[in-house]
Amino acid sequence: KQEVTQIPAALSVPEGENLVLNCSFTDSAIYNLQWFRQDPGKGLTSLLLIQSSQREQTSGRLNASLDKSSGRSTLYIAASQPGDSATYLCAVWNSGGSNYKLTFGKGTLLTVNP
Amino acid sequence: EAQVTQNPRYLITVTGKKLTVTCSQNMNHEYMSWYRQDPGLGLRQIYYSMNVEVTDKGDVPEGYKVSRKEKRNFPLILESPSPNQTSLYFCASSLIAPDYNEQFFGPGTRLTVL
Repeated sequence: KQEVTQIPAALSVPEGENLVLNCSFTDSAIYNLQWFRQDPGKGLTSLLLIQSSQREQTSGRLNASLDKSSGRSTLYIAASQPGDSATYLCAVWNSGGSNYKLTFGKGTLLTVNP
Repeated sequence: EAQVTQNPRYLITVTGKKLTVTCSQNMNHEYMSWYRQDPGLGLRQIYYSMNVEVTDKGDVPEGYKVSRKEKRNFPLILESPSPNQTSLYFCASSLIAPDYNEQFFGPGTRLTVL
C-alpha cells in the first residue's frame, strides 16, 4: 500500500527566504507525482506535475524534483512571499493494479512572515 | 474556462436526511473521483469513475453512493447521512492516460451533519 509522507508538517520562514519542502513515498511504481497548494478552507490548486520519466519541472519561482528510485520529491520555492502562505500537498498516482487514485501526503503548512 | 464545479459549497443537514452533492466538469475528462478531507487524516478517496456507467469504490466508500450517467457529471449521494460524514468533500477529474492525467479539483463542499 502506497504511503506518502511530507516533512516538515509546518514551516515558518521570513519573506525572501528560499525553502524546500519534502515528500517521500514508499512504492516507487508511480506514473507521476503532483504538487498542490491549498489555501485555508479552499480547494486544491495544481502547481506542478512530474511524470515518472522526468527529473524535474519548473514554474516561475517553483521547482519540483523527482527521484523515483529513492521515493523522494522536493518542492523548492525561491524568494518566498507572504502570498505563498498555504498548505502544500504532494500526491502520487500509482501504476499497475487497480489503484486508480492519487495517494496524498498530509501536507506542509507554510507561513511566510513579512 | 476549464473547471470542476461543485454544489452546494456549504451544507448543514441532519442525520438521516438524504442529500446529493453535484460535481460537473467541462473538460471532457473520462476520470472523475470524490475525496473527503479530514483533519489529521488527509485526503481519502471515496469513489471513482473511469467513464460513463463505470464506477468503483475507493478507500472509504461506506455510506456513499455515486452514479455516472453523463460524462460531465458525477454526483455524490448520501442516502442517510451521519455525523461521521461531516467533512470537506472534493471532486476531481482528469484524462485517463497516465502521461496526461493531471488532476483538477473542484472548490470543495463543506458538509456538516448534525
